[in-house]
Amino acid sequence: DVKVTQSSRYLVKRTGEKVFLECVQDMDHENMFWYRQDPGLGLRLIYFSYDVKMKEKGDIPEGYSVSREKKERFSLILESASTNQTSMYLCASSRRTSRPETQYFGPGTRLLVL
Amino acid sequence: AQSVSQHNHHVILSEAASLELGCNYSYGGTVNLFWYVQYPGQHLQLLLKYFSGDPLVKGIKGFEAEFIKSKFSFNLRKPSVQWSDTAEYFCAVKKYNNNDMRFGAGTRLTVKP
Repeated sequence: DVKVTQSSRYLVKRTGEKVFLECVQDMDHENMFWYRQDPGLGLRLIYFSYDVKMKEKGDIPEGYSVSREKKERFSLILESASTNQTSMYLCASSRRTSRPETQYFGPGTRLLVL
Repeated sequence: AQSVSQHNHHVILSEAASLELGCNYSYGGTVNLFWYVQYPGQHLQLLLKYFSGDPLVKGIKGFEAEFIKSKFSFNLRKPSVQWSDTAEYFCAVKKYNNNDMRFGAGTRLTVKP
């Protein structure tokens, strides 16, 4: 059974703080993803990674960076948190094959930036 | 740019009513299509997916979806909904041989007992 875990369910930070969101998957998946979920906007892709030390920008990378030092771990970094980054952040992983592999999602981290 | 449109923001039905949720995408090439569901307080999970073959795809819990290539659509259907189907439903599209996926804005379904 695939398991994707995220370091925190709820997080409260102040404007300007550096924020780290961690994601770990236990299925040896090559692909990992970070999304933010906002009401009426659905899920929007921030960054994804298809291998260790590789990263690709998604649709809304501004204000974020990522790190993938190990295959099982994908970190999302908010260099200087702002109030418009208050959101639910979802991590996902999938195998990298030529077939349409399912993405498996973590429980999400609800971030509030004051 | 590739985009995914879900026409209904919030749908309210009574139990046993039939359901159809619309999904259209703008990408013209070969695509893989997905419907995900998020029950209250739970993770996003896969309902069904299409990649080739029969355009009518059956998923879990009695859901099905039909891929109509000429209409760029992948609508989700269920003949008779239950109260437990109350959830948010997301359509997603992935370009063939690409790693990333794009989601629609979601449709919130409320089923009244």
